[in-house]
Amino acid sequence: GQQVMQIPQYQHVQEGEDFTTYCNSSTTLSNIQWYKQRPGGHPVFLIQLVKSGEVKKQKRLTFQFGEAKKNSSLHITATQTTDVGTYFCAASNDYKLSFGAGTTVTVRA
Amino acid sequence: GAVVSQHPSWVICKSGTSVKIECRSLDFQATTMFWYRQFPKQSLMLMATSNEGSKATYEQGVEKDKFLINHASLTLSTLTVTSAHPEDSSFYICSRQGPYEQYFGPGTRLTVT
Repeated sequence: GQQVMQIPQYQHVQEGEDFTTYCNSSTTLSNIQWYKQRPGGHPVFLIQLVKSGEVKKQKRLTFQFGEAKKNSSLHITATQTTDVGTYFCAASNDYKLSFGAGTTVTVRA
Repeated sequence: GAVVSQHPSWVICKSGTSVKIECRSLDFQATTMFWYRQFPKQSLMLMATSNEGSKATYEQGVEKDKFLINHASLTLSTLTVTSAHPEDSSFYICSRQGPYEQYFGPGTRLTVT
């Protein structure tokens, strides 16, 4: 499957601050999906990006797909304790998902 | 509500025994389901694609004789870990395909002693 690299692996954030997690591929992606997995839970779909340069927002979450469709980012503003968890990007190919390593987010109150 | 269920949610077994994990699609007849494995603090790795009425498709490096997959109906896929060893201890998660996203089950935590 398609390889996607994701950084950083860990993100320790002060409550109220912003952070960004990045996903990169050496090949052009047809689309990129983002999932969130809470501690002890299972991945839950957040969003899919398909178009070059696409930007989508969900409240405090902003998702971006690069112009070359080789990278993507998730930016969270004003981090809250409810944002704790691991955020994965995933490349979809024939319905198979190749997940990035994930960014595990912890929040300091 | 949940669209995919798994049973059991956790299981402890002795080395050398076999364990069966069930994955059910609750709201949709799924001809295809997916099985993933996730080791602690690691990402999800696709093990195999379960196909209703035909053989499963395994990813490279996954032993098909060790991880038996059966998809006998449109709502049920099972994964049997045969002759389990401690290194098979992991979080096993199934999923079914949605319109474009995947819906994941709650996962089964397997511990082999």
